Amino acid sequence: QLQLQESGPGLVKPSETLSLTCTVSGGSISSSSYYWGWIRQPPGKGLEWIGSIYYSGSTYYNPSLKSRVTISVDTSKNQFSLKLSSVTAADTAVYYCARQLRPNCSGGSCYGAYFDYWGQGTLVTVSS
Amino acid sequence: QSALTQPPSVSGSPGQSVTISCTGTSSDVGSYNRVSWYQQPPGTAPKLMIYEVSNRPSGVPDRFSGSKSGNTASLTISGLQAEDEADYYCSLYTSSSTYVFGGGTKLTVL
Repeated sequence: QLQLQESGPGLVKPSETLSLTCTVSGGSISSSSYYWGWIRQPPGKGLEWIGSIYYSGSTYYNPSLKSRVTISVDTSKNQFSLKLSSVTAADTAVYYCARQLRPNCSGGSCYGAYFDYWGQGTLVTVSS
Repeated sequence: QSALTQPPSVSGSPGQSVTISCTGTSSDVGSYNRVSWYQQPPGTAPKLMIYEVSNRPSGVPDRFSGSKSGNTASLTISGLQAEDEADYYCSLYTSSSTYVFGGGTKLTVL
């Protein structure tokens, strides 16, 4: 059974960089069939996609966060990571990592464009 | 980025059916099959319930169904049960290879 586990500091100071790691077990992060993504949820609010990465290092980011986000992958450790720079209180959220199938698109229709496994999430608070 | 509109809340009694809508535009929801639905009970991670508008992953009860009409995708839950009380989110995979989520709908089982 595939499992994803987020880890990292639960408290980050304003203007600093938030760093989280997602460890994948029960499956290989190097599979050509999947992308790996980060999604966040501010307390009491909805979900926001941050970005996704392929095992080769190819990335896609939310345009609203792109200037501050870096997602990387370490296939030797079966992990992928998130860095979010210049954080403010607005970045306080539960951060989830998730697996998504590699989208297969043809004629506008896409197959596999969804998140099928999620980590339990980790709360990151931005505060001095 | 595309915006997806969901009602903030819906409610129903046990055994009834409820439908949650997710409205986009003719350029996204209306044109393609790229909509998925997630269930999030309080304090837990989201769970995939429907993908590609109307497909159900294995293990999801057939009480959950998805459909689309025009620019609106819908999630219908029939035979409502107390355990269905949760927040529900629709998601769209955009033509820019990004994802956008709807604002979420809180389902209350009366």
